Amino acid sequence: NAGVTQTPKFQVLKTGQSMTLQCAQDMNHEYMSWYRQDPGMGLRLIHYSVGAGITDQGEVPNGYNVSRSTTEDFPLRLLSAAPSQTSVYFCASSYSSARGSGNTIYFGEGSWLTVV
Amino acid sequence: QKEVEQDPGPLSVPEGAIVSLNCTYSNSAFQYFMWYRQYSRKGPELLMYTYSSGNKEDGRFTAQVDKSSKYISLFIRDSQPSDSATYLCAMSGDKLIFGTGTRLQVFP
Repeated sequence: NAGVTQTPKFQVLKTGQSMTLQCAQDMNHEYMSWYRQDPGMGLRLIHYSVGAGITDQGEVPNGYNVSRSTTEDFPLRLLSAAPSQTSVYFCASSYSSARGSGNTIYFGEGSWLTVV
Repeated sequence: QKEVEQDPGPLSVPEGAIVSLNCTYSNSAFQYFMWYRQYSRKGPELLMYTYSSGNKEDGRFTAQVDKSSKYISLFIRDSQPSDSATYLCAMSGDKLIFGTGTRLQVFP
């Protein structure tokens, strides 16, 4: 049981390049999300999905795109990388939304992205 | 003003000390209060979860919620070097908000 798996672990991009962060979970969770973590800012929600084919924006969605074609996978796409997107990105999953509940959120190990 | 405030630390204590980590919040709609532990270069993992006010104990860890003061705490007894990590509070109600984290270092 691998939990939430993210790739790549580290990536350096040039401004304007695009890339996809991959995320997969094997817990059959309906709810998946992407966060970015920046010093002094905490974890901020980028996009989330409540099930295959359904996605929605979080707190900081600009510059990112997501899709959810299967229950297991939830990739995050950076459309045209900017230095402001330098951050640590975490994919997460839970049985259902943790908003309005105490549902456990399972996080991946993170992807360190630097945009130069 | 942030909805959840957490002192970033770092907090450095000797092994065996009692550690107190705290968060304050302003949103009265928060009902669920969580503590996540994050080791360096890893993702956060749920440590403790409390619903509404009161205390919850799990081994060396005690989570305390005071809704009247909008204040939550995590106490670690007999702290160990393996407790060295960043501790994030999280609160859920009409929204889910994470604190910025407090970095704890326990030295032998």
